[in-house]
Amino acid sequence: SYELTQPPSVSVSPGQTASITCSGDDLGERYTSWYQQKPGQSPILLIYEDKKRPSGTPERFSGSNFGNTATLTISGTQDMDEADYYCQAWDSSLAPVFGTGTKVTVL
Amino acid sequence: EVQLVQSGAEVKKSGESLKISCKASGYIFSNYWIGWVRQKPGKGLEWMGIIYPADSDTRYSPSFQGQITISADKSVITAYLQWTSLRPSDSGIYYCARGDQELTTFDYWGLGTLVTVSS
Repeated sequence: SYELTQPPSVSVSPGQTASITCSGDDLGERYTSWYQQKPGQSPILLIYEDKKRPSGTPERFSGSNFGNTATLTISGTQDMDEADYYCQAWDSSLAPVFGTGTKVTVL
Repeated sequence: EVQLVQSGAEVKKSGESLKISCKASGYIFSNYWIGWVRQKPGKGLEWMGIIYPADSDTRYSPSFQGQITISADKSVITAYLQWTSLRPSDSGIYYCARGDQELTTFDYWGLGTLVTVSS
């Protein structure tokens, strides 16, 4: 089965840049989405089709996808960005697969 | 405004049946896939299955095939997730989420339904 691997945790200082990776076989050939989930809340869509931002996603969030790795970048990280982040792609049978999740801590 | 309103928390005993719901509003229900996602306490997101309400085309994750049934009723613009015999391992939060028209992402999510199953 298709798997997406993320680092369990990422720490970042306020105002700095955080990068969260998502690795999977030939991931660059599949559309990747990113979701943010804060404690006690449901996930919200941050990035879709690798790099597109829905209305409402701040510009400090950006995405890229190449080779076997998709990356979510948070530029100028704010305290409010402390959350869990999940990538998601589609396997060969067009079933969605979620990444293992990354907890971002703003120190 | 797109909204997915999920039914309230449930407390059940092992072996009981359950059907939870996800009522859509703000868009044409039939034209978008609805997916179900489980999250166990302190764990990640697990895709369970999706349904296309227009024709009830349904796909299940192999991990959940045979354990759950996903359905949709266009007349009440609601999707459902049901179990015939719950187990304690079914405890968790269940989210419904709308697939966008190209089914490249899940663009709107419900608030989740907490299911607790005791032995």
